[in-house]
Amino acid sequence: DAGVIQSPRHEVTEMGQEVTLRCKPISGHNSLFWYRQTMMRGLELLIYFNNNVPIDDSGMPEDRFSAKMPNASFSTLKIQPSEPRDSAVYFCASSFKGPYEQYFGPGTRLTVT
Amino acid sequence: KQEVTQIPAALSVPEGENLVLNCSFTDSAIYNLQWFRQDPGKGLTSLLLIQSSQREQTSGRLNASLDKSSGRSTLYIAASQPGDSATYLCAVTSGNTPLVFGKGTRLSVIA
Repeated sequence: DAGVIQSPRHEVTEMGQEVTLRCKPISGHNSLFWYRQTMMRGLELLIYFNNNVPIDDSGMPEDRFSAKMPNASFSTLKIQPSEPRDSAVYFCASSFKGPYEQYFGPGTRLTVT
Repeated sequence: KQEVTQIPAALSVPEGENLVLNCSFTDSAIYNLQWFRQDPGKGLTSLLLIQSSQREQTSGRLNASLDKSSGRSTLYIAASQPGDSATYLCAVTSGNTPLVFGKGTRLSVIA
């Protein structure tokens, strides 16, 4: 199995631009998680899907952030418009046991200038 | 709200030394606790998962203990090696609440 796949691995964009991060979970997993990691705040859960339905989006920082999971094999996290404070590493994880035993992707390093 | 704290934030030890990493959590009503390893520029790899009913788990040179009543867990690494250098993260799950992470301990093992 290829594991959780994220793209792009690195993204540099200017403030105000739209950014879309992509994730392909492990085949057969029914739960998907988006996290953000910064030096200051550590690793924080943004949103959690189960069977393609958002279960907990309380971690989404503001309306500029949105996430979708149109099918079991693909999810996007979109930031529009992006701001410098959004610079972080964004991780996607998947699981077949709900919030337990998650497998993490390699992350997308986002830099907003 | 669950909070997870890891001490120390960074640790440097000579090769061969045994070491202990600490994790504490504020709400003892957890479902399980996991220890992860993160290498620079990489994702997280799960090392050990302890269910709330368990006291410890072992994998090779790693041993994780859990004292739910006191809100503490330790990760013991025996005979440390330079390849153990990484950031170690502790995370807890409560009910249906997904993982809450500590900020990690950055370990350097010096050859």
